[in-house]
Amino acid sequence: DAGITQSPRHKVTETGTPVTLRCHQTENHRYMYWYRQDPGHGLRLIHYSYGVKDTDKGEVSDGYSVSRSKTEDFLLTLESATSSQTSVYFCATESEGQGSDEQYFGPGTRLTVT
Amino acid sequence: TQLLEQSPQFLSIQEGENLTVYCNSSSVFSSLQWYRQEPGEGPVLLVTVVTGGEVKKLKRLTFQFGDARKDSSLHITAAQPGDTGLYLCAGAPGRDDKIIFGKGTRLHILP
Repeated sequence: DAGITQSPRHKVTETGTPVTLRCHQTENHRYMYWYRQDPGHGLRLIHYSYGVKDTDKGEVSDGYSVSRSKTEDFLLTLESATSSQTSVYFCATESEGQGSDEQYFGPGTRLTVT
Repeated sequence: TQLLEQSPQFLSIQEGENLTVYCNSSSVFSSLQWYRQEPGEGPVLLVTVVTGGEVKKLKRLTFQFGDARKDSSLHITAAQPGDTGLYLCAGAPGRDDKIIFGKGTRLHILP
């Protein structure tokens, strides 16, 4: 258990509003990831971070931005939420040097955009 | 696009039966991971297989990595209702590639 928490766990917001989701880890893992999970699509990578202030885009990054100012926190922002961003969002971490791509997931945030 | 294809998509069986689910790709993977996800929770890592032909056992669960490291299987012996969940396989095709996930097998064990 990598000690990963996500907040909020549930959120309902209106189209066009900004939304920020937070991921917090206590394991000092170097890598952090944001995924979205949708029926029929599985888990898709939005953005990832390989260190403080080092981030990069994933497969479905349009409409999302991230920031990592501290090792333990990784924020995902929807600048102007759209209904297509209704999803369950998962944060994951990965320790450097394991060499086996093992990820540890948070409990998820269910976001509904109306 | 490198894909991990999982089959079957859905499986519903009676408690006590055996089952096998599959994870296949046309690409070679340096390792594959299996996760289980229960409703309302994040995926939880079950096992990593690294060596072609490797077999790992976790109580009633047996994981196998194909000899060519392109596929993997998960066999459950005497399934129990607690095995119900979404089983995901994942892996990175190359050392510097990001991990990709299969869409999963949704398993339901009937008591």
